[in-house]
Amino acid sequence: DQQVKQNSPSLSVQEGRISILNCDYTNSMFDYFLWYKKYPAEGPTFLISISSIKDKNEDGRFTVFLNKSAKHLSLHIVPSQPGDSAVYFCAAYSGAGSYQLTFGKGTKLSVIP
Amino acid sequence: ETGVTQSPTHLIKTRGQQVTLRCSSQSGHNTVSWYQQALGQGPQFIFQYYREEENGRGNFPPRFSGLQFPNYSSELNVNALELDDSALYLCASSLGTGHNTEAFFGQGTRLTVV
Repeated sequence: DQQVKQNSPSLSVQEGRISILNCDYTNSMFDYFLWYKKYPAEGPTFLISISSIKDKNEDGRFTVFLNKSAKHLSLHIVPSQPGDSAVYFCAAYSGAGSYQLTFGKGTKLSVIP
Repeated sequence: ETGVTQSPTHLIKTRGQQVTLRCSSQSGHNTVSWYQQALGQGPQFIFQYYREEENGRGNFPPRFSGLQFPNYSSELNVNALELDDSALYLCASSLGTGHNTEAFFGQGTRLTVV
């Protein structure tokens, strides 16, 4: 069973507009969430994270929102750039001593010039 | 500062064979985790090594085994290969374990079992 779900396999956005990538989770023990970006033939690279004690974290063009009651998080990219075209993975840790990242299946973002 | 490097980048093996994949962790990192990413799926946790000891294991059978060396590089060994083992194998290194340590991934090894 998928504990981290990214229900949109793909998303297309015009350059300059906002990209919103969504992620839902079922495990209430998850307390730390991360977004990774992956280009073809490369490993995933860390983008931004958020602890469950927060509801928002911002880093430049990237903002992650966490709604604990809905078990939902989203990544906002504003403005979107063609170089943002990649697969985005939502991932989560459970508990302070956790060593295991649980990933979603990913969403392929295409930013159209 | 060198990043995480994995070798080989691509590999083709026959069902029933054994394979060893290698990972050099980022300089100064003492923790290595291995993930399997099947086509169309997200990476799945196989196991983690911290200071040469297995620190946790995901839902993979015992024919998946690993080692970490004193220089913190690591190997993933898979025995009795099955067709379903075809996947991208990712290694990630970090400084320490736990949920707020950033894991840096290598480019992966693409294993094809025929």
